[in-house]
Amino acid sequence: KNEVEQSPQNLTAQEGEFITINCSYSVGISALHWLQQHPGGGIVSLFMLSSGKKKHGRLIATINIQEKHSSLHITASHPRDSAVYICAVPTITQGGSEKLVFGKGTKLTVNP
Amino acid sequence: NAGVTQTPKFRILKIGQSMTLQCTQDMNHNYMYWYRQDPGMGLKLIYYSVGAGITDKGEVPNGYNVSRSTTEDFPLRLELAAPSQTSVYFCASSSRTGGQGGYTFGSGTRLTVV
Repeated sequence: KNEVEQSPQNLTAQEGEFITINCSYSVGISALHWLQQHPGGGIVSLFMLSSGKKKHGRLIATINIQEKHSSLHITASHPRDSAVYICAVPTITQGGSEKLVFGKGTKLTVNP
Repeated sequence: NAGVTQTPKFRILKIGQSMTLQCTQDMNHNYMYWYRQDPGMGLKLIYYSVGAGITDKGEVPNGYNVSRSTTEDFPLRLELAAPSQTSVYFCASSSRTGGQGGYTFGSGTRLTVV
């Protein structure tokens, strides 16, 4: 079973700061997901990556497969980035199918 | 495209009552999932389906049932609701098995059992 650890659990930043959220997992994977959950509750998929780095606007996700570690970076943070960021990795069910295991999330608050 | 549609958004149930949470997707995804999210905890898989007519249990299936008669619909049934089922429920779909396909989530159903 894959275990997923995220850090920090809570993060408060000032607008404009560079943000880093970390995710570590225990078993080798094919891909890792970063999700965003806004205070309203909806969950949005930000990235799915299996190697290297991906960038979307001010968001950058990196993964190191050998070290079983991924980071999510936010450049020039803004109050609208305030949300819970969730890391998820696949694992194999008893039935042989693949499912996601989720971290507990990192709650980010960006103050103006 | 609507993506994944969940209804209702909110519901209060009394102990022992039953209800069905509806989930519909219009992306022709084979894989569909039901998760529950409890405060301070990661999402837990309740049931999943890899295609019409095929369902399987996840990590926390007790007290729930599902069916998948069509590709589009994946309803979650709560029988004899208990306070421990108070949670936020998310339905999700994927075009491929979880590790390879991107996920699309519904907006969630906040359920309170009193």
